[in-house]
Amino acid sequence: AQTVTQSQPEMSVQEAETVTLSCTYDTSESDYYLFWYKQPPSRQMILVIRQEAYKQQNATENRFSVNFQKAAKSFSLKISDSQLGDAAMYFCAYHAGNNRKLIWGLGTSLAVNP
Amino acid sequence: DTEVTQTPKHLVMGMTNKKSLKCEQHMGHRAMYWYKQKAKKPPELMFVYSYEKLSINESVPSRFSPECPNSSLLNLHLHALQPEDSALYLCASRYPGDTEAFFGQGTRLTVV
Repeated sequence: AQTVTQSQPEMSVQEAETVTLSCTYDTSESDYYLFWYKQPPSRQMILVIRQEAYKQQNATENRFSVNFQKAAKSFSLKISDSQLGDAAMYFCAYHAGNNRKLIWGLGTSLAVNP
Repeated sequence: DTEVTQTPKHLVMGMTNKKSLKCEQHMGHRAMYWYKQKAKKPPELMFVYSYEKLSINESVPSRFSPECPNSSLLNLHLHALQPEDSALYLCASRYPGDTEAFFGQGTRLTVV
């Protein structure tokens, strides 16, 4: 069965510092996609970054980058220069190319301290 | 227009009421989803519509009834709900073949 594990229920970071959120997954598929979604108190689920499994290069979106270790089935999110607006619940998610159902981790609640 | 619009934003209903949640998108997406989310938990998939046809029903109780009248609109009809059905209900949509799903802001439902 495909699973996604986020082992850090809560984390905090000082404004302008860097923080890394962990995610591991389990799958026997070779073609799949990994995502980090952010859900602020406004409730909307926002896609932060996406990684295709066939791509070796780690995805980057401005201050957000991932460390994708396919062999280790690890997909961590690094947030650089943290801002107060980054405070949110962060969910790691997976779906296989032949099954569009998203499998979600339990989430990490990130607090950003001024 | 890259928005998924959900109405209402908040809803309080009694256990004998009938109400509907509405979701609308004008991005040409042909897959639309209903999720239920409890506080501090990930979303749980309820229903998936693909090209206006129900393709996935995750064993949701019949007091929840989805409807997809056209390619832009998705409804969730609610009847005889229980207090444990109180949650955030999220709608999402995706273009077929694409990997990214766009989410609405959700409807916060309270059943009293």
